[in-house]
Amino acid sequence: GAVVSQHPSWVICKSGTSVKIECRSLDFQATTMFWYRQFPKQSLMLMATSNEGSKATYEQGVEKDKFLINHASLTLSTLTVTSAHPEDSSFYICSASEDVLGEQYFGPGTRLTVT
Amino acid sequence: AQSVTQLDSHVSVSEGTPVLLRCNYSSSYSPSLFWYVQHPNKGLQLLLKYTSAATLVKGINGFEAEFKKSETSFHLTKPSAHMSDAAEYFCVVRSMTTDSWGKFQFGAGTQVVVTP
Repeated sequence: GAVVSQHPSWVICKSGTSVKIECRSLDFQATTMFWYRQFPKQSLMLMATSNEGSKATYEQGVEKDKFLINHASLTLSTLTVTSAHPEDSSFYICSASEDVLGEQYFGPGTRLTVT
Repeated sequence: AQSVTQLDSHVSVSEGTPVLLRCNYSSSYSPSLFWYVQHPNKGLQLLLKYTSAATLVKGINGFEAEFKKSETSFHLTKPSAHMSDAAEYFCVVRSMTTDSWGKFQFGAGTQVVVTP
């Protein structure tokens, strides 16, 4: 149980385009989902916290207009990187939890490369 | 404020020898602490967690960690390293402050290399 999937697992896009990453909880209802960013050989950095049916809460320094997060259902959250630039290239990981203090189950990550 | 410090960025061990990954934390509250492992280009897998029950926590794959409040430490150990243990390990503290309720704070990570 407690499986979280991400799609796509990797994506290459051109500068200026937008790309959407999906995070799904497959066998439980995720009231809260978290989005992290990880640069090569570095730790995970929390970007935002999303609760189903409400606006995401972004961490300081994360542009909410650039990284659009939608958590429209209890099993799906999406992260859209708008007007992507090469510096947005990174490994994006989501986690899902039944509630904000519950255990976080991590997805396998999405490798984004912007050319 | 809460923080977590992994004292070693890189640990190299021989197969069959013990592994020790050190983690210190600071917290104003009784913390929840976790160890996760990440293999290359993969997501995170939970090894074990401490949530104010037994101070010696046993996890998967032979790993265990001991919560020591007096030393503010949560070191991860394994008696005998296996080649498959080569990976990145993260110590994580769950924030219980008002402005960061429930959020995970990750340590910088420790890269483990296992030599034959």
